Amino acid sequence: NAGVTQTPKFQVLKTGQSMTLQCAQDMNHEYMSWYRQDPGMGLRLIHYSVGAGITDQGEVPNGYNVSRSTTEDFPLRLLSAAPSQTSVYFCASSYRLAGGETQYFGPGTRLLVL
Amino acid sequence: DAKTTQPTSMDCAEGRAANLPCNHSTISGNEYVYWYRQIHSQGPQYIIHGLKNNETNEMASLIITEDRKSSTLILPHATLRDTAVYYCIVRVKDNAGNMLTFGGGTRLMVKP
Repeated sequence: NAGVTQTPKFQVLKTGQSMTLQCAQDMNHEYMSWYRQDPGMGLRLIHYSVGAGITDQGEVPNGYNVSRSTTEDFPLRLLSAAPSQTSVYFCASSYRLAGGETQYFGPGTRLLVL
Repeated sequence: DAKTTQPTSMDCAEGRAANLPCNHSTISGNEYVYWYRQIHSQGPQYIIHGLKNNETNEMASLIITEDRKSSTLILPHATLRDTAVYYCIVRVKDNAGNMLTFGGGTRLMVKP
């Protein structure tokens, strides 16, 4: 299994540009989520999905859109990038287990908005 | 989900046990304690979790006090590769969205 994969690894955008961060998992996990991590800080939840066709907002959803058309993929869209969205973005996935869940994280996408 | 308090940073000598404390005095009866770590520039990695009993796996041990208001993650023989930020998280097992709330964590530096 490849686990959780994210593309691209690095991206530079100009203010106002749009782009999509890709996330895919091959573990048949129900749950997927997007976090952002700013320098020296912990992760903050942006959006999450509990299954195909179902998404919801996390702690910091403004400026981001998501969709979940398949179990495997959970893209994150920036419609009009702003310098405040400069961050490292992590995608994660997990099962929902009776004994407790663990999340598997991707390697991250480093985004710089100029 | 209950909040946690961890020291900002700790040092440990290579080969010695690393004991990372976490306070979660407002933890509820149905909240688990999870530990994750993040090695520089990588995604977080799950380590261990528990409810009230002590837990051990191939990576670490988790000691939870009887009143469940604090816990300690133990890396029995720390190596240089264990240098990372360690996050203590408490959450309900089946909360909506199954998501994690990360605080600042403890930056563990393992020294030769």
